[in-house]
Amino acid sequence: RKEVEQDPGPFNVPEGATVAFNCTYSNSASQSFFWYRQDCRKEPKLLMSVYSSGNEDGRFTAQLNRASQYISLLIRDSKLSDSATYLCVVIVRGYSTLTFGKGTMLLVSP
Amino acid sequence: GAGVSQSPSNKVTEKGKDVELRCDPISGHTALYWYRQSLGQGLEFLIYFQGNSAPDKSGLPSDRFSAERTGGSVSTLTIQRTQQEDSAVYLCASSLGAGDMYEQYFGPGTRLTVT
Repeated sequence: RKEVEQDPGPFNVPEGATVAFNCTYSNSASQSFFWYRQDCRKEPKLLMSVYSSGNEDGRFTAQLNRASQYISLLIRDSKLSDSATYLCVVIVRGYSTLTFGKGTMLLVSP
Repeated sequence: GAGVSQSPSNKVTEKGKDVELRCDPISGHTALYWYRQSLGQGLEFLIYFQGNSAPDKSGLPSDRFSAERTGGSVSTLTIQRTQQEDSAVYLCASSLGAGDMYEQYFGPGTRLTVT
């Protein structure tokens, strides 16, 4: 079983839609959580960290449920420029390296 | 300022040949990471350098893979006797320090194709 699992998609949504991505992790020692964004043939870039209390950055909201080992990302009012692959990432306690999910592809259409 | 740079951007090599991939981290970043991204596998950790400490090599898939970091800055990832399954994008990242409070910045990657 992969350590970090995501629905690969693609998610096809119209502009203005709200879309949610889910991610589960299997290692209970995971202690830090992130969402990265990767555009086609580009490097991954940090979108936002995920905190236990949930956090919001503009149209993006991230939530963490430690008991269920589950992370989510909600994008409101989708823009064409949101089209990308969204990577769920964890860091296990005592380590510095990133463990990635395979990513969920989002396609926003006019 | 300048980000992480990698060279070459693309490399095509014949099976059995050795290749060297280079990473120039952001100036002042003490931690440097190598990952690779292949179709169907996603992004996987390979090796990690932090300051003068011994590198964490736990992600290297075989002894054909090695890496070094000279002078705490530039790093070279070497793959000996390349195989077709080595075809992937090799990504380097650096961070100001070690630990989850430091964001990792990725370079544009080297796309390796083994024919």
